[in-house]
Amino acid sequence: DTAVSQTPKYLVTQMGNDKSIKCEQNLGHDTMYWYKQDSKKFLKIMFSYNNKELIINETVPNRFSPKSPDKAHLNLHINSLELGDSAVYFCASSQAGLAGVGEQFFGPGTRLTVL
Amino acid sequence: DAKTTQPNSMESNEEEPVHLPCNHSTISGTDYIHWYRQLPSQGPEYVIHGLTSNVNNRMASLAIAEDRKSSTLILHRATLRDAAVYYCILIKIQGAQKLVFGQGTRLTINP
Repeated sequence: DTAVSQTPKYLVTQMGNDKSIKCEQNLGHDTMYWYKQDSKKFLKIMFSYNNKELIINETVPNRFSPKSPDKAHLNLHINSLELGDSAVYFCASSQAGLAGVGEQFFGPGTRLTVL
Repeated sequence: DAKTTQPNSMESNEEEPVHLPCNHSTISGTDYIHWYRQLPSQGPEYVIHGLTSNVNNRMASLAIAEDRKSSTLILHRATLRDAAVYYCILIKIQGAQKLVFGQGTRLTINP
């Protein structure tokens, strides 16, 4: 019954590794997002996908790449992990795009710790 | 880019109304104002959004100033479960789409 789910919930890894976080939504929404929340609790959008098209790409390093195999999934791949990548990553989805309408439903978050 | 400014923290008592302010003096004509809240160890949760007119839903009311340079989220009767960080967000629909988050207001509710 979970609307937006993420796996894993916790991820601890070494610097330089490559890791992925998976996100799935069962709401039938058209748009999915990835957000990063740092230690100071600032929440910043990283990507969004609408019908498999990237429509927002904030100034994130190209080590981060979103991949959407279908409308219900938006996975986040991170290459060459750095200490500064440690944060909580949230996936979200919405029926409409960001055009001011439609609430976003957030997943529970994935806490990434890079050692 | 339009930014939002919120007080870092506010405190209120249970069963009393709470007014959470947000300043967005550089808002554009087609920027929507969204409010989300985040309970401890959870993802953000949608509260309400609006463009020009005041809005009401089951969770809260949103009062938008006539010049749209500020808005206020109103919780009519706060409960302990309303203790959270409240984010005021501008969503631009003209030009490059961006989400601009405020720093959030940490709301404490006293029993």
